[in-house]
Amino acid sequence: DARVTQTPRHKVTEMGQEVTMRCQPILGHNTVFWYRQTMMQGLELLAYFRNRAPLDDSGMPKDRFSAEMPDATLATLKIQPSEPRDSAVYFCASAKPGSYYEQYFGPGTRLTVT
Amino acid sequence: KNQVEQSPQSLIILEGKNCTLQCNYTVSPFSNLRWYKQDTGRGPVSLTIMTFSENTKSNGRYTATLDADTKQSSLHITASQLSDSASYICVVGSGGGADGLTFGKGTHLIIQP
Repeated sequence: DARVTQTPRHKVTEMGQEVTMRCQPILGHNTVFWYRQTMMQGLELLAYFRNRAPLDDSGMPKDRFSAEMPDATLATLKIQPSEPRDSAVYFCASAKPGSYYEQYFGPGTRLTVT
Repeated sequence: KNQVEQSPQSLIILEGKNCTLQCNYTVSPFSNLRWYKQDTGRGPVSLTIMTFSENTKSNGRYTATLDADTKQSSLHITASQLSDSASYICVVGSGGGADGLTFGKGTHLIIQP
């Protein structure tokens, strides 16, 4: 049963520290999405890649967030420096070619910045 | 601005009862509408997807309806089970790229024994 995996599942860090979240998309999926979920805002799209190329990152605070896909099996989301308002659950999702609406979500990384 | 409004925000019902969740949207152009189920501590899982030409879609005890004229959708759960306790998120696609997706904030459903 193919699944999107994310690490770490939980992260507690102090304000100002760098945070890196990792995602392994489902094998064969060529589109990868990063979302942030909070109680107040719900799910928000931060960025997404197709065939490892960034297509849109307008939802991401550019000064502190960065997203990359070093290879087809790994996507990373980095926050530097982290702030308390970044506390949220970060989801990665992947989709197969030609079907970016059919997204499969990972279990999420719960980030707490103190 | 594209928006998706879900109601109620939260709902508590007894096991075995039916319930209906609502989704109203102001997304244009409209491409499709999807309902997701999100268990606590998990990522969302797709329940149904409907395009403009479809007005109903079932997945087991879940039945979604779509009225593209009034821009409303509902998710009906029949004979609820404890495992139905979750958040249900309505997502509307506008036919553009993935940034054309608009997410509702969800309805938190609790099934009580």
